[in-house]
Formats: sequence, C-alpha cells, structure tokens
Amino acid sequence: QVQLVQSGNETKKPGASVKVSCKASGYIFTNFAVTWVRQVSGQGLEWMGWISPYNGDTKYPEKFQDRVTVTADTSTNTAYLELRSLRPDDTAMYFCAKSWIAVPLVDKWGPGSQVTVSS
Amino acid sequence: NFILTQPQSVSESLGKTVTISCARSTGVIARNYVQWYQQRPGSAPTTIIFQDDRRPSGVPDRFSGSLDTSSNSASLTISGLKTDDEADYFCQTYDDNNLWVFGGGTKLAVL
Repeated sequence: QVQLVQSGNETKKPGASVKVSCKASGYIFTNFAVTWVRQVSGQGLEWMGWISPYNGDTKYPEKFQDRVTVTADTSTNTAYLELRSLRPDDTAMYFCAKSWIAVPLVDKWGPGSQVTVSS
Repeated sequence: NFILTQPQSVSESLGKTVTISCARSTGVIARNYVQWYQQRPGSAPTTIIFQDDRRPSGVPDRFSGSLDTSSNSASLTISGLKTDDEADYFCQTYDDNNLWVFGGGTKLAVL
C-alpha cells in the first residue's frame, strides 16, 4: 500500500532554514509527483510547491519562489522541502502528498511534520 | 490569479443532506478539475472527490461532487450525515500553469 513517511517535528530560530523529508513507498516514485502543503494551526491549506521526480520539474507559488526549494532523490524515493529565512509565521504543519503529474491533485497525503519557529 | 470562496461553516442534522459550495472568482469553473479534501480534527487531509465528481475507492457514495456553471462553482454534497462527517472540507483546483489554488475551507457541524 502507498505510504508517505515524513521526518519528525522541528524547532528552529528565526532566520534559519529547515528541510523536511518525505519517504515514499508502495508505488513507482517516478510515475507521480510530490506536492507540499502547509497549514497554520486553525487555518486553511496553503500550497508550497510541487516536483516531478521523473525529470525534476518543479512549480512554486509566487509567494514562496525565493524561499522554498523542493527536491527529490529517486535512489531513496524521498522528496524534500527546504524553507529558508524562517519567520515565526512559518510555524505550521507541513504535509507532503502523492500527486498526479498531469493533473494537479492529491491522491494520498502524508501525516505531516510540525515546524515551529521561535527565538 | 483567481480565488476559491467557501462558506466558513455549515451545519445540518444527523441523517440529512448538506451541500458545501466552492465559488471560483474568475475563469470558468469547468476549465480545471476540482478536488475535495476532508480533514478531521488532528488528522491529515484525505481525498474524497477528485476530477470534479470521482470518488477514490473506499469513499462512500454518500459523498458526491458536482459543478454548477450558472454560479461558477463546485459543490460537495454529503447525504445521510453521520457524526463522523464532522470535519473541515477544502476544495482545490489549479490555473492554466498548473499552479494550485485551495479554498479557505468549510467547517461542517453535524447536529
């Protein structure tokens, strides 16, 4: 069965960077995309980026173009989200999700990784 | 870019039917597929409707999705409401550059 295992919770200081991982299993990693979505406690879902592990193509919303990098390692079936120049308002749950390449949709969500930014 | 507008909250009684709307501000709603995600408290979202009206295996047919071109919106209808349906529901679509857009979410209370 499809599984997405995310890295553990992180606490970082403002200005630092964080890298969250998402290890996929149960499907052919390069046949699907990985999407990253975050959620501030009590608020909605916010799309942060998308990668096709097949060819490394990425997409980002304008809001995160300068601070987010999404990568994928096909040798370990793991996707990564790096967020730089952290601010307290980046404190959120970060979800990875198995997505389709041709149509931007999620068919399986990861459990989430909590990132807390505090001095 | 466009936005997707959902009601902040809806409520309905046990066993009844409720519909949650998702209005697209600009551009035709039917141009890009709409998905619906359910998020129970303290849990990750799950996909309950994809490509406007398709259900993943395991999602009961009490959940259905549709488009209303007259109001330029998508709708999620849940019939035979159960207490277990209490959750937040998010719609999602994308633009012509495949950039994702989420609705703000709707909290469903089952009375």
